[in-house]
Amino acid sequence: KQEVTQIPAALSVPEGENLVLNCSFTDSAIYNLQWFRQDPGKGLTSLLLIQSSQREQTSGRLNASLDKSSGRSTLYIAASQPGDSATYLCAGSFSSGSARQLTFGSGTQLTVLP
Amino acid sequence: EAGVAQSPRYKIIEKRQSVAFWCNPISGHATLYWYQQILGQGPKLLIQFQNNGVVDDSQLPKDRFSAERLKGVDSTLKIQPAKLEDSAVYLCASSLDPGGRKLFFGSGTQLSVL
Repeated sequence: KQEVTQIPAALSVPEGENLVLNCSFTDSAIYNLQWFRQDPGKGLTSLLLIQSSQREQTSGRLNASLDKSSGRSTLYIAASQPGDSATYLCAGSFSSGSARQLTFGSGTQLTVLP
Repeated sequence: EAGVAQSPRYKIIEKRQSVAFWCNPISGHATLYWYQQILGQGPKLLIQFQNNGVVDDSQLPKDRFSAERLKGVDSTLKIQPAKLEDSAVYLCASSLDPGGRKLFFGSGTQLSVL
């Protein structure tokens, strides 16, 4: 059974700080990994998608990396802003699954303090 | 481009009652997913459709949950009878194909079972 873990569950940082969110997974046969953002009372918004053949993806101030051998992914947020406050979830799509379903972590709730 | 539409936004019922949720995916998206998100946890896949056929329903409690996707477009998820532990946000998502590509989520239906 694939497991995806995110630690810490919550993180507070002052505005302008660079930060890293962590995601770990137990199955190295990963097809891809996605990072999502979830605002309170809202659905999930896909931020970055990394295929298993890739090492990283970048979008604006966001950079996500994938290391299959260590079973880890990180989401780097540069120059954080209060608007970045949200819950960030990672989800892995694993080749061993019959339908490549996404397995989600529990998320890291980020608060950027002005 | 219209996003994934879900209704109702909120629902409060008593245990043992029945409830139904509706989802309209993004036009042209063949794959539709229903997720259950319990407070403080990541979303858990309940069922995945490819067009109007079920691809994966291994985590759907079939004694009380049912889902259908008529004509490969809209989908409904039903719970009958509801239990207290069914209190959660029910998220619908769609994607162009089942290959674990970018998912687009609706805002969800928040269900409270009293």
